[in-house]
Parts: sequence; C-alpha cells; structure tokens
Amino acid sequence: NAGVTQTPKFRILKIGQSMTLQCAQDMNHNYMYWYRQDPGMGLKLIYYSVGAGITDKGEVPNGYNVSRSTTEDFPLRLELAAPSQTSVYFCASSSAPGPPRGYTFGSGTRLTVV
Amino acid sequence: AQSVTQLDSQVPVFEEAPVELRCNYSSSVSVYLFWYVQYPNQGLQLLLKYLSGSTLVKGINGFEAEFNKSQTSFHLRKPSVHISDTAEYFCAVSGNYGGSQGNLIFGKGTKLSVKP
Repeated sequence: NAGVTQTPKFRILKIGQSMTLQCAQDMNHNYMYWYRQDPGMGLKLIYYSVGAGITDKGEVPNGYNVSRSTTEDFPLRLELAAPSQTSVYFCASSSAPGPPRGYTFGSGTRLTVV
Repeated sequence: AQSVTQLDSQVPVFEEAPVELRCNYSSSVSVYLFWYVQYPNQGLQLLLKYLSGSTLVKGINGFEAEFNKSQTSFHLRKPSVHISDTAEYFCAVSGNYGGSQGNLIFGKGTKLSVKP
C-alpha cells in the first residue's frame, strides 16, 4: 500500500545514546515533515523538507538533525538522547505545488529515553 | 502568525447523541483548514478539509464542519456518534501563500469519548 512508512515503531534509549528514526514515502511527494506529539500538546513541527537536499527548522528543532538525500527518505537523527525527547514521533508528507491536500502521516515511532 | 485553539480538551458523550468539537483559528492570510482523527496507537487520518467554496464541508464517517470566516471558526459536528468514534481529533490550519511549504499548525487536540 502506498503511504508513509516509519521504523521502528517502538524504541527505548538510554540517556546520551543516539539513533535515527526512519521515514520513507512512495507517493513522490516533495514535502516531508517530522512532528513530535506530547500528551495535551498537539503536534509540534521539528523539521521539514521541500525537496531533496533542502531542509529547514520547524518550531522545536533543538536536539535533532535531518537530511534529505532522496525524494523518498527523510530520516530524523537524535545525537544525544535526553529524557525530554521521550515522545511519539510522526513523519508526514504532502504533494506540492497547489492547494494543500493535507498530509499523509506515518503510524509513528514511540520513543522512550531513560 | 497563525494559531489554532481547540476549546475543549475532552468531550464525553453518549452513543447516538450529537457532538460538536470546537476549533478557532487566527490568521492574517487566507487559510486552509483541516480536521484529523487519531485512533488509539495510530497515526493521524484526514477527516475533512476546507480549501474554498462552500462553507459546509462533509468528510468521512458522517462528520461535517462549517467554516465561519467572521467568527474564525471551523467546528466539527456529527449528528449521531458511535462507540467507534472514540478518538482524539485535531484541528489544523495552513497558510494560503504562494511558494510556501504549506506547513500545518495543529491545535492541542480534543479527546472524544463515546459512552454506551
């Protein structure tokens, strides 16, 4: 099925460890996004990309890095995990240009930092 | 800057009763508006969207929303809810400006709990 695939679904990290959250889409969407979701806080944008080789910071980028070497993939990197990064992470994509059709979301990665 | 306010964090309702989930937005430009639903332990799914035209928008699962520009609102309604509608609902706004990345700004969510 076409869509956005996130891996892993769950992960427990120790403080100071690093990891990469993977995101891939097969819809040839130019725009891709990383959000984090914390209880009662909605979704906050971490980073976004408007195409291969182009990324920019969102509302809460500190502690994260991204790259976009291909249209399909948009990995999110945590270099030194901290308890404040415990959250559910969602990747999304959308087509462009023209009126936004809304995002297609992945099923999320639940990350716990202990 | 745009923002979205969902006025109720939790809405309990009995099965087959009507429900309204409230959403207000602020923006200095024309907007596109969305409602997403998130079932437990799942990602977000698009319920409906307003881009232009008719202010009454119909979505999936019997939901509808009305865009009210003067009140800057986009409330979500369903005339008769089912147990399976229990989920968290997010309102989102996107700026309508050329060349933008079209980022969505999300509200904090409303948890709808349908009781038998």
